[in-house]
Amino acid sequence: DGGITQSPKYLFRKEGQNVTLSCEQNLNHDAMYWYRQDPGQGLRLIYYSQIVNDFQKGDIAEGYSVSREKKESFPLTVTSAQKNPTAFYLCASSILAGGGEEQFFGPGTRLTVL
Amino acid sequence: GENVEQHPSTLSVQEGDSAVIKCTYSDSASNYFPWYKQELGKRPQLIIDIRSNVGEKKDQRIAVTLNKTAKHFSLHITETQPEDSAVYFCAPTLRGFGNEKLTFGTGTRLTIIP
Repeated sequence: DGGITQSPKYLFRKEGQNVTLSCEQNLNHDAMYWYRQDPGQGLRLIYYSQIVNDFQKGDIAEGYSVSREKKESFPLTVTSAQKNPTAFYLCASSILAGGGEEQFFGPGTRLTVL
Repeated sequence: GENVEQHPSTLSVQEGDSAVIKCTYSDSASNYFPWYKQELGKRPQLIIDIRSNVGEKKDQRIAVTLNKTAKHFSLHITETQPEDSAVYFCAPTLRGFGNEKLTFGTGTRLTIIP
């Protein structure tokens, strides 16, 4: 497990509110990722970052924002522009050296819009 | 981007029998082929991976075979046990060259019948 944490485990949001999901890792990994998982679907990439102060959009970035001010931290903000935010959100990290490295996942945050 | 399909989407096998899950992909440049396992309520974890210079890799009861010409790779689980019940995701990827994204399939739900 260890080394990558997400908080909170459950999060409830009212429509029109922004919320921020936390992701922290102490694995000294360079790359960090955010995925969204909906029932019966795979993991879809929202944003990823390979180095501090830099990040790239994934396949479904609209309505989300991220920052990477520290190597250990990669918070995800779900904005009011995201029309269907109820989902399970997974953060992951990996080292970059050598290519093709394993991604380690956090335990996830389940976001529900009320 | 990579188009990934997994078949079947659900699979039930008798305990002790074998299970095979197939993953097809579109990008002939893909060079890294991992399989992740996600047990109910838990985070995905890498169980086996293979690189494009190898045709087969085995780890105890789990094996992965790769057919680059046909652009598919398969997960084989022999002597299945109840703890093999989970959702399995493939994520064929071109790694290196500054690209560190994984594109996940939609998953295969494997149920082992005692």
